[in-house]
Amino acid sequence: QVQLQESGPGLVKPSQTLSLTCTVSGGSISSGDYYWSWIRQPPGKGLEWIGYIYYSGSTYYNPSLKSRVTISVDTSKNQFSLKLSSVTAADTAVYYCARDFLRLFDYWGQGTLVTVSS
Amino acid sequence: QSVLTQPPSVSAAPGQKVTISCSGSSSNIGNNYVSWYQQLPGTAPKLLIYDNNKRPSGIPDRFSGSKSGTSATLGITGLQTGDEADYYCGTWDSSLAVFGGGTKLTVL
Repeated sequence: QVQLQESGPGLVKPSQTLSLTCTVSGGSISSGDYYWSWIRQPPGKGLEWIGYIYYSGSTYYNPSLKSRVTISVDTSKNQFSLKLSSVTAADTAVYYCARDFLRLFDYWGQGTLVTVSS
Repeated sequence: QSVLTQPPSVSAAPGQKVTISCSGSSSNIGNNYVSWYQQLPGTAPKLLIYDNNKRPSGIPDRFSGSKSGTSATLGITGLQTGDEADYYCGTWDSSLAVFGGGTKLTVL
């Protein structure tokens, strides 16, 4: 059974960089069948896709966040990571990592709340 | 403002049937498969329907999906109190994953 687990600071100051890591267990991140995504959900609001990465390192980002987002992968640790720079209060959200299999998100992490506040 | 449009809320009594609509455009729903996700309170979304009308293993056949043109519909029959959740439709618009704003289902 594939499991994903997000980790990282729960509090980030405005203008700083948010950094999260997703650890994948029960399957290899290097499997060519999947892409690995980050998705966020502001409190009380809907889902917003941030971007994905393939095990080779190729990425695609939501154009609305592209200038501030970097997603990277570490196949040796079976992890992928998110960096979001110049954060504001609008970036406060629950951040999920998810597996993308043929354009559907079949496995999700439990999510981690990141609050942007001084 | 979400790319896909869903009603904010729907409600029905236990045992009844409910449908949730999801409206998009030719660039997203019109040319891609639709998925539906169930988000129980305080939990992560869970895949409920994929490829418009397929159910992952373990999802009961009370849940169904359909698509016509640029709209999709989730149907739930035999409503149970445990079905109270937020439901999201999702698809792709070129290389961008897009979601609806979510529909809160209340089982009265």
